[in-house]
Amino acid sequence: AQSVTQLDSQVPVFEEAPVELRCNYSSSVSVYLFWYVQYPNQGLQLLLKYLSGSTLVKGINGFEAEFNKSQTSFHLRKPSVHISDTAEYFCAVTNQAGTALIFGKGTTLSVSS
Amino acid sequence: NAGVMQNPRHLVRRRGQEARLRCSPMKGHSHVYWYRQLPEEGLKFMVYLQKENIIDESGMPKERFSAEFPKEGPSILRIQQVVRGDSAAYFCASSPPDSYEQYFGPGTRLTVT
Repeated sequence: AQSVTQLDSQVPVFEEAPVELRCNYSSSVSVYLFWYVQYPNQGLQLLLKYLSGSTLVKGINGFEAEFNKSQTSFHLRKPSVHISDTAEYFCAVTNQAGTALIFGKGTTLSVSS
Repeated sequence: NAGVMQNPRHLVRRRGQEARLRCSPMKGHSHVYWYRQLPEEGLKFMVYLQKENIIDESGMPKERFSAEFPKEGPSILRIQQVVRGDSAAYFCASSPPDSYEQYFGPGTRLTVT
């Protein structure tokens, strides 16, 4: 069965610093991968997705992620964060049937000045 | 294009009452998914529906929970005889046909007193 592990529950960084949020997945079949962001008391917003093709995926708000099949990872990166990036970030993978998303437990990114 | 709509945004029920959560998918989306988010946890898949059909309900609790997506009108998640453990945020997502991208609504926060 598919599973997602987000290796850091909390990541504190200073404004304008680079950040990497780590995500590993396990799956016996080809998967599609997603990163979502959730601001307090709001729904989830799709940041970026990997479906096929180039392993480097660019998303909204300056975020990007790299799909690494050999390491079963899909880490999220941003070269310079803003205070407004403070939020919860979720990595997700499609289940084997393609009928649902399986989410990690989330990483809280806290950006301070 | 309006996003996924959910109502109510907040719902308070006493133990033993029924809770009805509604979800209107984005225009052109015929697939609806329900997820539950408990404190300190990621989102857990509950059910996947297409118009008038339940496709995958592997994440639904066996008792008290049901979902429908009628030909006309919103999708409904129904929880009968609510208990305190049902307190959570319930998110609906929708997708167009033949797509793995899911777009989330703002959620309904259910509190059982």
